[in-house]
Amino acid sequence: AQKVTQAQTEISVVEKEDVTLDCVYETRDTTYYLFWYKQPPSGELVFLIRRNSFDEQNEISGRYSWNFQKSTSSFNFTITASQVVDSAVYFCALSDTGTASKLTFGTGTRLQVTL
Amino acid sequence: DTAVSQTPKYLVTQMGNDKSIKCEQNLGHDTMYWYKQDSKKFLKIMFSYNNKELIINETVPNRFSPKSPDKAHLNLHINSLELGDSAVYFCASSRPTSGGASAYNEQFFGPGTRLTVL
Repeated sequence: AQKVTQAQTEISVVEKEDVTLDCVYETRDTTYYLFWYKQPPSGELVFLIRRNSFDEQNEISGRYSWNFQKSTSSFNFTITASQVVDSAVYFCALSDTGTASKLTFGTGTRLQVTL
Repeated sequence: DTAVSQTPKYLVTQMGNDKSIKCEQNLGHDTMYWYKQDSKKFLKIMFSYNNKELIINETVPNRFSPKSPDKAHLNLHINSLELGDSAVYFCASSRPTSGGASAYNEQFFGPGTRLTVL
């Protein structure tokens, strides 16, 4: 069975601080995919990144960066110089492969960025 | 222009009623899903259909019945609504991004339907 754990329920930071959201996953599959989604107060799910299990390169996209470490089954997400618009719930998710693949979500981390 | 649409966006109803939520995608995808997000924001898959065939059914009460009249639509019908059914329901559609064992389904989510059962 697949499992995703986001131990941080809620994080509050002041604007311009850096913040890291943790994600730990469990799977028996050798091939799998990891995702991060953002859910702003408006409620929609916004795709941020996908990473496959064979690609452990870290990725940077603007103020966002992701650290995938297979050895510790972690896929952490860092926001540099946070902004108020980053306030949202962030979900880490795990997908198996194939036609019947499904997303298993973590419980989410609520990030509150204040001025 | 909308990729995955859901109607209605909000649904308020009384306990015991039967209601449906509709989902349509214009992306030409073969696979569609329903996810439920409860009051604690926990997101969990309910169903998945591929080419109108049910392929995932995750321990969902049989009061919930998905129906896929064609590949572009996956509707969710709920009988005898209960207070615990109050949630946001997300529809999604997907296409495989590569073939073989490493294929995964890149999922595109609809805007969600907030169901409130009184």
